[in-house]
Amino acid sequence: DAGITQSPRYKITETGRQVTLMCHQTWSHSYMFWYRQDLGHGLRLIYYSAAADITDKGEVPDGYVVSRSKTENFPLTLESATRSQTSVYFCASRGGGPDTQYFGPGTRLTVL
Amino acid sequence: EDQVTQSPEALRLQEGESSSLNCSYTVSGLRGLFWYRQDPGKGPEFLFTLYSAGEEKEKERLKATLTKKESFLHITAPKPEDSATYLCAVQPTGGGNKLTFGTGTQLKVEL
Repeated sequence: DAGITQSPRYKITETGRQVTLMCHQTWSHSYMFWYRQDLGHGLRLIYYSAAADITDKGEVPDGYVVSRSKTENFPLTLESATRSQTSVYFCASRGGGPDTQYFGPGTRLTVL
Repeated sequence: EDQVTQSPEALRLQEGESSSLNCSYTVSGLRGLFWYRQDPGKGPEFLFTLYSAGEEKEKERLKATLTKKESFLHITAPKPEDSATYLCAVQPTGGGNKLTFGTGTQLKVEL
Protein backbone atom coordinates (compact mmCIF):
# COMPACT_ATOMS: atom_id res chain seq x y z
CA ASP A 1 0.00 0.00 0.00
CA ALA A 2 1.15 3.52 -0.72
CA GLY A 3 1.75 5.81 2.23
CA ILE A 4 3.97 5.96 5.24
CA THR A 5 4.88 2.97 7.38
CA GLN A 6 6.80 2.54 10.61
CA SER A 7 8.48 -0.47 12.14
CA PRO A 8 8.44 -1.95 14.61
CA ARG A 9 5.03 -0.90 15.93
CA TYR A 10 5.99 -1.90 19.46
CA LYS A 11 9.41 -2.20 21.04
CA ILE A 12 10.61 -2.93 24.55
CA THR A 13 14.28 -2.39 25.30
CA GLU A 14 16.60 -1.83 28.22
CA THR A 15 18.46 1.25 29.36
CA GLY A 16 21.73 1.69 27.50
CA ARG A 17 20.80 -0.34 24.43
CA GLN A 18 20.82 1.05 20.92
CA VAL A 19 17.45 1.10 19.17
CA THR A 20 16.56 2.03 15.61
CA LEU A 21 13.07 2.95 14.54
CA MET A 22 12.32 2.73 10.85
CA CYS A 23 10.20 4.97 8.65
CA HIS A 24 9.38 4.40 5.00
CA GLN A 25 7.24 6.47 2.64
CA THR A 26 6.14 5.69 -0.89
CA TRP A 27 5.10 9.20 -1.99
CA SER A 28 8.64 10.40 -2.82
CA HIS A 29 8.03 13.32 -0.47
CA SER A 30 11.02 15.59 0.04
CA TYR A 31 10.49 16.27 3.71
CA MET A 32 10.39 13.74 6.51
CA PHE A 33 9.98 14.28 10.24
CA TRP A 34 10.27 12.47 13.55
CA TYR A 35 8.06 13.42 16.49
CA ARG A 36 7.54 12.03 19.94
CA GLN A 37 4.19 12.18 21.71
CA ASP A 38 3.99 12.24 25.49
CA LEU A 39 1.08 12.91 27.80
CA GLY A 40 0.83 16.59 28.57
CA HIS A 41 3.32 17.64 25.91
CA GLY A 42 1.64 17.02 22.63
CA LEU A 43 3.73 16.18 19.60
CA ARG A 44 7.29 17.48 19.68
CA LEU A 45 9.68 17.53 16.74
CA ILE A 46 12.90 15.57 17.20
CA TYR A 47 14.58 15.84 13.78
CA TYR A 48 13.58 16.53 10.24
CA SER A 49 15.05 16.12 6.77
CA ALA A 50 14.50 18.27 3.70
CA ALA A 51 16.01 15.74 1.29
CA ALA A 52 18.44 12.84 1.17
CA ASP A 53 21.59 13.68 3.15
CA ILE A 54 20.04 16.88 4.59
CA THR A 55 18.88 16.73 8.20
CA ASP A 56 18.30 19.27 10.95
CA LYS A 57 17.44 19.34 14.64
CA GLY A 58 13.99 19.98 16.00
CA GLU A 59 12.85 20.87 19.48
CA VAL A 60 14.08 17.77 21.38
CA PRO A 61 17.05 16.22 19.50
CA ASP A 62 19.27 15.17 22.41
CA GLY A 63 19.94 11.43 22.56
CA TYR A 64 18.76 10.79 18.99
CA VAL A 65 20.55 10.35 15.68
CA VAL A 66 19.05 10.35 12.19
CA SER A 67 20.25 9.62 8.71
CA ARG A 68 18.70 9.78 5.26
CA SER A 69 20.62 8.07 2.53
CA LYS A 70 17.49 7.41 0.43
CA THR A 71 14.51 9.71 -0.09
CA GLU A 72 12.01 7.08 1.06
CA ASN A 73 13.67 6.07 4.35
CA PHE A 74 14.32 8.07 7.50
CA PRO A 75 15.53 5.93 10.42
CA LEU A 76 15.73 7.27 13.96
CA THR A 77 18.37 5.82 16.28
CA LEU A 78 18.53 6.05 20.03
CA GLU A 79 22.23 5.44 20.60
CA SER A 80 21.92 4.63 24.31
CA ALA A 81 18.29 4.44 25.35
CA THR A 82 17.12 6.06 28.57
CA ARG A 83 13.83 5.70 30.46
CA SER A 84 12.92 9.27 29.54
CA GLN A 85 12.82 8.16 25.91
CA THR A 86 9.84 5.92 26.61
CA SER A 87 7.25 7.43 24.30
CA VAL A 88 5.23 7.01 21.15
CA TYR A 89 7.23 8.00 18.07
CA PHE A 90 5.62 9.24 14.88
CA CYS A 91 7.18 9.71 11.50
CA ALA A 92 5.65 12.17 9.04
CA SER A 93 6.31 13.36 5.52
CA ARG A 94 5.26 16.13 3.18
CA GLY A 95 5.89 17.09 -0.39
CA GLY A 96 7.81 20.14 -1.53
CA GLY A 97 4.65 22.11 -2.22
CA PRO A 98 1.71 22.14 0.22
CA ASP A 99 2.62 22.32 3.88
CA THR A 100 0.52 19.44 5.14
CA GLN A 101 2.40 16.70 6.98
CA TYR A 102 1.09 13.14 6.81
CA PHE A 103 1.76 10.83 9.72
CA GLY A 104 2.62 7.17 10.06
CA PRO A 105 0.93 4.81 12.52
CA GLY A 106 3.55 5.25 15.25
CA THR A 107 5.98 3.12 17.25
CA ARG A 108 5.37 2.63 20.95
CA LEU A 109 8.77 2.38 22.63
CA THR A 110 9.26 1.30 26.24
CA VAL A 111 12.68 1.61 27.84
CA LEU A 112 13.02 -0.45 31.03
CA GLU B 1 8.16 31.18 21.34
CA ASP B 2 5.18 29.76 19.48
CA GLN B 3 2.38 28.44 21.67
CA VAL B 4 -0.81 26.53 21.03
CA THR B 5 -3.49 26.01 23.69
CA GLN B 6 -6.49 23.81 23.08
CA SER B 7 -9.68 23.80 25.10
CA PRO B 8 -11.44 22.04 26.57
CA GLU B 9 -9.07 19.18 27.34
CA ALA B 10 -11.98 16.75 27.19
CA LEU B 11 -15.53 17.04 25.94
CA ARG B 12 -18.42 14.64 26.22
CA LEU B 13 -21.39 15.15 23.90
CA GLN B 14 -24.62 13.35 23.21
CA GLU B 15 -25.17 12.25 19.64
CA GLY B 16 -26.57 15.21 17.71
CA GLU B 17 -25.39 17.79 20.27
CA SER B 18 -23.33 20.35 18.34
CA SER B 19 -20.33 22.06 19.92
CA SER B 20 -17.00 23.74 19.20
CA LEU B 21 -13.39 23.05 20.06
CA ASN B 22 -11.00 25.94 20.54
CA CYS B 23 -7.39 26.40 19.50
CA SER B 24 -5.69 29.59 20.69
CA TYR B 25 -2.28 30.36 19.30
CA THR B 26 0.61 32.75 19.69
CA VAL B 27 2.99 32.94 16.76
CA SER B 28 5.11 35.71 15.31
CA GLY B 29 3.57 35.22 11.88
CA LEU B 30 1.21 32.47 10.76
CA ARG B 31 1.96 30.46 7.67
CA GLY B 32 -0.71 27.87 8.35
CA LEU B 33 -2.90 26.30 11.02
CA PHE B 34 -3.62 22.59 10.85
CA TRP B 35 -6.29 20.37 12.36
CA TYR B 36 -5.74 16.66 12.80
CA ARG B 37 -7.85 13.84 14.19
CA GLN B 38 -6.16 11.09 16.18
CA ASP B 39 -7.78 7.81 17.12
CA PRO B 40 -6.35 5.72 19.98
CA GLY B 41 -3.23 3.82 18.94
CA LYS B 42 -3.03 5.54 15.56
CA GLY B 43 -1.19 8.41 13.95
CA PRO B 44 -2.76 11.83 13.44
CA GLU B 45 -5.00 12.04 10.39
CA PHE B 46 -5.04 15.33 8.48
CA LEU B 47 -8.33 17.24 8.43
CA PHE B 48 -7.79 20.89 7.42
CA THR B 49 -5.27 23.60 6.71
CA LEU B 50 -6.22 27.25 7.21
CA TYR B 51 -3.97 30.03 6.00
CA SER B 52 -5.62 33.38 6.71
CA ALA B 53 -8.09 34.98 9.10
CA GLY B 54 -11.64 34.58 7.91
CA GLU B 55 -10.97 31.35 6.10
CA GLU B 56 -13.36 28.44 6.65
CA LYS B 57 -13.19 24.81 5.57
CA GLU B 58 -15.75 22.04 5.88
CA LYS B 59 -15.74 18.29 5.77
CA GLU B 60 -18.87 16.34 6.57
CA ARG B 61 -19.92 17.37 10.10
CA LEU B 62 -16.76 19.40 10.74
CA LYS B 63 -16.10 23.04 9.99
CA ALA B 64 -12.88 24.84 10.84
CA THR B 65 -12.60 28.60 11.12
CA LEU B 66 -9.67 30.94 11.72
CA THR B 67 -9.19 34.34 13.31
CA LYS B 68 -5.96 36.19 14.06
CA LYS B 69 -5.71 34.63 17.51
CA GLU B 70 -7.66 31.38 17.44
CA SER B 71 -9.29 28.67 15.44
CA PHE B 72 -12.50 26.79 16.09
CA LEU B 73 -13.47 23.32 15.03
CA HIS B 74 -17.26 23.21 14.93
CA ILE B 75 -18.89 19.79 15.10
CA THR B 76 -22.48 19.73 13.90
CA ALA B 77 -24.78 16.88 14.97
CA PRO B 78 -21.88 14.61 15.97
CA LYS B 79 -22.02 10.84 15.80
CA PRO B 80 -20.19 8.29 17.97
CA GLU B 81 -17.68 7.75 15.16
CA ASP B 82 -16.55 11.35 15.61
CA SER B 83 -15.08 10.35 18.97
CA ALA B 84 -11.33 10.99 18.83
CA THR B 85 -8.67 13.42 19.97
CA TYR B 86 -8.50 16.54 17.83
CA LEU B 87 -5.11 18.21 17.49
CA CYS B 88 -4.30 21.72 16.38
CA ALA B 89 -0.88 22.84 15.11
CA VAL B 90 0.62 26.07 13.78
CA GLN B 91 3.42 26.65 11.33
CA PRO B 92 5.12 30.07 11.58
CA THR B 93 6.19 32.10 8.60
CA GLY B 94 9.90 31.73 8.02
CA GLY B 95 9.89 28.88 10.51
CA GLY B 96 10.91 26.26 8.05
CA ASN B 97 9.02 23.09 8.68
CA LYS B 98 8.47 23.22 12.40
CA LEU B 99 4.90 22.61 13.54
CA THR B 100 3.95 23.48 17.11
CA PHE B 101 1.14 21.25 18.38
CA GLY B 102 -1.38 21.72 21.11
CA THR B 103 -2.11 18.90 23.53
CA GLY B 104 -5.47 18.16 21.96
CA THR B 105 -9.13 17.91 22.87
CA GLN B 106 -10.42 14.42 23.61
CA LEU B 107 -13.97 14.19 22.27
CA LYS B 108 -16.40 11.46 23.20
CA VAL B 109 -19.80 11.28 21.55
CA GLU B 110 -22.33 9.06 23.24
CA LEU B 111 -25.58 7.55 21.98
